[in-house]
Amino acid sequence: GAVVSQHPSRVICKSGTSVKIECRSLDFQATTMFWYRQFPKQSLMLMATSNEGSKATYEQGVEKDKFLINHASLTLSTLTVTSAHPEDSSFYICSARDRQGNNQPQHFGDGTRLSIL
Amino acid sequence: QKEVEQDPGPLSVPEGAIVSLNCTYSNSAFQYFMWYRQYSRKGPELLMYTYSSGNKEDGRFTAQVDKSSKYISLFIRDSQPSDSATYLCAMSPSGDMRFGAGTRLTVKP
Repeated sequence: GAVVSQHPSRVICKSGTSVKIECRSLDFQATTMFWYRQFPKQSLMLMATSNEGSKATYEQGVEKDKFLINHASLTLSTLTVTSAHPEDSSFYICSARDRQGNNQPQHFGDGTRLSIL
Repeated sequence: QKEVEQDPGPLSVPEGAIVSLNCTYSNSAFQYFMWYRQYSRKGPELLMYTYSSGNKEDGRFTAQVDKSSKYISLFIRDSQPSDSATYLCAMSPSGDMRFGAGTRLTVKP
């Protein structure tokens, strides 16, 4: 149980393109989903917390107009990297927490490797 | 001082060895403690989830929490090459998680 699917797993696109990444909880409902960024050989850096039916909460230094988050249902959150540039190239990972409570652990997707040419 | 400290390693052990991975933390409000395993180019996978102090065992894995010392450990018995990965500790008071930097482990055949 507790499976999180993230799609696509790999994106290569030109500078200026907008890229949408989907995060789905397959066998549980998640009121809260999280979006992380991970650089090579580094730990996870929380970008934003996505709450179903409300605006996302962004961490300091993360541009909300650059990284658009939508959490329209209890099983789906999307991250759109708008007008992506080479410096946005990274490994993006989502996680989801079961709606049963804040004490539930986060379950992660397999990440999306984004490369902007 | 970081809230969660974890030695990034790398740690290399022979197959069959007992592996000890550790994290220390500074926030006494942390109550929930987790260990995740992350293979290269994959998302973290939840290994162990514990509440408060004590031990929890699952197969070859044992998680220990010592709240008085603000110290948590993950032990891997009879380590296998397939255990080679990065291990992340994580903890939370209730809700937001804080991650360690991750320890890169290599188990050599």
